Amino acid sequence: QVHLVQSGAEVKKPGASVKVSCKASGYTFTGFYMHWVRQAPGQGPEWMGWSNPLSGDTHYAQKFQGRVTMTRDTSVSTAYMELSRLRSDDTALYYCARTTVLTPGGFDYWGQGTLVTVSS
Amino acid sequence: QPALTQPASVSGSPGQSITISCTGSSSDVGAYNYVSWYQQRPGKAPKLMISEVSNRPSGVSNRFSGSKSGNAASLTISGLQAEDEGDYYCSSYTSSHSWVFGGGTKLTVL
Repeated sequence: QVHLVQSGAEVKKPGASVKVSCKASGYTFTGFYMHWVRQAPGQGPEWMGWSNPLSGDTHYAQKFQGRVTMTRDTSVSTAYMELSRLRSDDTALYYCARTTVLTPGGFDYWGQGTLVTVSS
Repeated sequence: QPALTQPASVSGSPGQSITISCTGSSSDVGAYNYVSWYQQRPGKAPKLMISEVSNRPSGVSNRFSGSKSGNAASLTISGLQAEDEGDYYCSSYTSSHSWVFGGGTKLTVL
């Protein structure tokens, strides 16, 4: 069965960077796009971008351009999302989620979420 | 400000049907048949309920159905059950090759 297991909660100071990991199992890692979606407390989800584990290609939401970097290590079936120059409004649950490569459909499997808290 | 507009809350009694609307634009909902719906319970990750406007993933009850007309999509839940309570979000692929979400609708089963 498909599992996406994310790294643990992080507490960071404003201006710092955070790197969250998402280890995939139960499917061919390179056969699906990996997306990152965040959800601030009491808010709806916000899409941040995707990476193609096969090619390494990425596409980021305009809002995060210049601050986010999505990478992957195919040898361990793990995707990473690094967000820099953190601000207090970056405090949120960060999820990884996959979609098929063939069609830009729904996010069918999600990680459990990683809470990132930005506080001085 | 979420890109897709949803009502903040809906409610219904067990056995009734409810519909949640999701209004976007000609650049997202109206442009493609790539609207999806998610159920989220407290403390849990969103769960895909409907993909590509009206497709139900394996394991999702046939009480859930989706449709689209123009720039608006809808999720209908028939035969409402207590377990259907939660937050529901719509999402759409966009013409800028990105995804957008709605602000969410809280469903209460009376």
